[in-house]
Amino acid sequence: ETGVTQTPRHLVMGMTNKKSLKCEQHLGHNAMYWYKQSAKKPLELMFVYSLEERVENNSVPSRFSPECPNSSHLFLHLHTLQPEDSALYLCASSPMTGGAPNGQPQHFGDGTRLSIL
Amino acid sequence: QKEVEQDPGPLSVPEGAIVSLNCTYSNSAFQYFMWYRQYSRKGPELLMYTYSSGNKEDGRFTAQVDKSSKYISLFIRDSQPSDSATYLCAMSAGSNSGYALNFGKGTSLLVTP
Repeated sequence: ETGVTQTPRHLVMGMTNKKSLKCEQHLGHNAMYWYKQSAKKPLELMFVYSLEERVENNSVPSRFSPECPNSSHLFLHLHTLQPEDSALYLCASSPMTGGAPNGQPQHFGDGTRLSIL
Repeated sequence: QKEVEQDPGPLSVPEGAIVSLNCTYSNSAFQYFMWYRQYSRKGPELLMYTYSSGNKEDGRFTAQVDKSSKYISLFIRDSQPSDSATYLCAMSAGSNSGYALNFGKGTSLLVTP
């Protein structure tokens, strides 16, 4: 497999469920990202991991919990979500130079379409 | 003022037309510029990546950056129905600017046969 792979592609869950989104990248990158994409809004950066260490958390509610066990895998654990959390969740990765992205482009998976009932 | 402005469209053109997609930005520190194409039910796909001002050509696609005007463009020549997608611009200041890319909202393009 190549690129960035996300599973599942679609997820419907109730507000009290617990589920996890999975992302795997085969590009040898050292930085991984979670984004939320809602209609008519720019992509919203949620979390960033660099060399498996969380380096950014953009005021994301605690009902979203990321995990990065190694540089190829990223998870987003979901718990007690709200209807407004329904969106497309995108994972991305990027290379780093000198220990930082330094403007390198990010490469995206096809996302998980999440619907909260 | 938003950091990156992009007209959401939709933009509808006939097959074979030249398409011009544009973004303006406010942060003069941006020096890395990207265009992504996103088909329905897919993730954004990197189309063009440029550094600083100037033009870059790849097949039917040309990316143009004018840093003095804080304006970037993507031109698509001989547009095809398969070019119908949402096009997102993104940019970064690079070194010491953190990890975030700054995205526009995307322009929806429809190329009709």
